Amino acid sequence: AQSVTQLGSHVSVSEGALVLLRCNYSSSVPPYLFWYVQYPNQGLQLLLKYTTGATLVKGINGFEAEFKKSETSFHLTKPSAHMSDAAEYFCAVSFGGYNKLIFGAGTRLAVHP
Amino acid sequence: GAVVSQHPSRVICKSGTSVKIECRSLDFQATTMFWYRQFPKKSLMLMATSNEGSKATYEQGVEKDKFLINHASLTLSTLTVTSAHPEDSSFYICSGETSSDEQFFGPGTRLTVL
Repeated sequence: AQSVTQLGSHVSVSEGALVLLRCNYSSSVPPYLFWYVQYPNQGLQLLLKYTTGATLVKGINGFEAEFKKSETSFHLTKPSAHMSDAAEYFCAVSFGGYNKLIFGAGTRLAVHP
Repeated sequence: GAVVSQHPSRVICKSGTSVKIECRSLDFQATTMFWYRQFPKKSLMLMATSNEGSKATYEQGVEKDKFLINHASLTLSTLTVTSAHPEDSSFYICSGETSSDEQFFGPGTRLTVL
């Protein structure tokens, strides 16, 4: 069965530090992979996505993620955290296209001065 | 990107009443819309897939008679929570699928049932 696992429900970093949010998936078919950000009481905003092609994907707000097939991972990174990055981050996967997204449990990122 | 709106953003209702939530694609036509439910501090759970002009497809465990979905046009889908109970209180999010198959999400509707 297809699934998504986000390691760490809470991540706390200092402003200016590296952000690393982990996502692993299980799938028997090539996945499409997504990272979304959610601010309090708001919907989801797409940060970046991987469908095919280059495995290192750059998104908005300085975030990027690398698809590693051998590790079944799609970790999200940002070199330098900003206070405005504090939010909930969701990894999602779909199979055979964009339809029917399966979401991970989410990781709440806190950024402290 | 494409824009999806939801109305209302917040609603409080009494137990036993019905509540309708609208999801609109503002600048694109969405043949397919999705309805998700998000519990506090939890992930999104897909409730149903709504296709314009046909019956919605519900995920396992979602009561179709309780959560009525209507997708009457290419820009509007509605979710009606019938005979709402406190356990129906949640954050409901819809998304619209563009012609390139990408999903764009609405801002969500917080439902509180007293």
